[in-house]
Amino acid sequence: SQKIEQNSEALNIQEGKTATLTCNYTNYSPAYLQWYRQDPGRGPVFLLLIRENEKEKRKERLKVTFDTTLKQSLFHITASQPADSATYLCALDTLGSGYSTLTFGKGTMLLVSP
Amino acid sequence: EAGVAQSPRYKIIEKRQSVAFWCNPISGHATLYWYQQILGQGPKLLIQFQNNGVVDDSQLPKDRFSAERLKGVDSTLKIQPAKLEDSAVYLCATLGGGNEKLFFGSGTQLSVL
Repeated sequence: SQKIEQNSEALNIQEGKTATLTCNYTNYSPAYLQWYRQDPGRGPVFLLLIRENEKEKRKERLKVTFDTTLKQSLFHITASQPADSATYLCALDTLGSGYSTLTFGKGTMLLVSP
Repeated sequence: EAGVAQSPRYKIIEKRQSVAFWCNPISGHATLYWYQQILGQGPKLLIQFQNNGVVDDSQLPKDRFSAERLKGVDSTLKIQPAKLEDSAVYLCATLGGGNEKLFFGSGTQLSVL
């Protein structure tokens, strides 16, 4: 069956450290993978997109890697801050028809302590 | 640019009642989505429109849920009759940013008692 799995437990780290979140998937061949941030009571907000032919993408303190052989993406936040505390969702283009049909993982809650 | 607008923000109903949610997309965004997000879960796609045509509604419980997108702009999602398990946040999103990223509204939080 098709699955998208993210770290099931909340991730607690100290301010200044690097947070690493994992997204694994099975039985999909996505053209791209995306990461979103969601704060309580709000809709998800787009952060980064990485394509199947890209190994790594960076944006400010954010870095995403994509390994289509392992079927895994890693999302890193360097020099983390308490303001980075939120739930982070990965999403895959799963219809593959060019219609951008996105299926989301369950999300990982990140808590950054001062 | 203005974001995706949703209303109402909150709704409380009793089971077996009906309810409707409304979404006004970002101007010019042709693709519109309705997602259901149960507490502690990721968003689950219910239906995807391209203009006013349906791209994917494979996970929409069609015996009780219906959705339409009038003239390819605003959209409504209806539940009739509601069940307890329909308690969730209903998120509307549109596709922009070069047709690759979703812009979400703040959602409608539905509680079915």
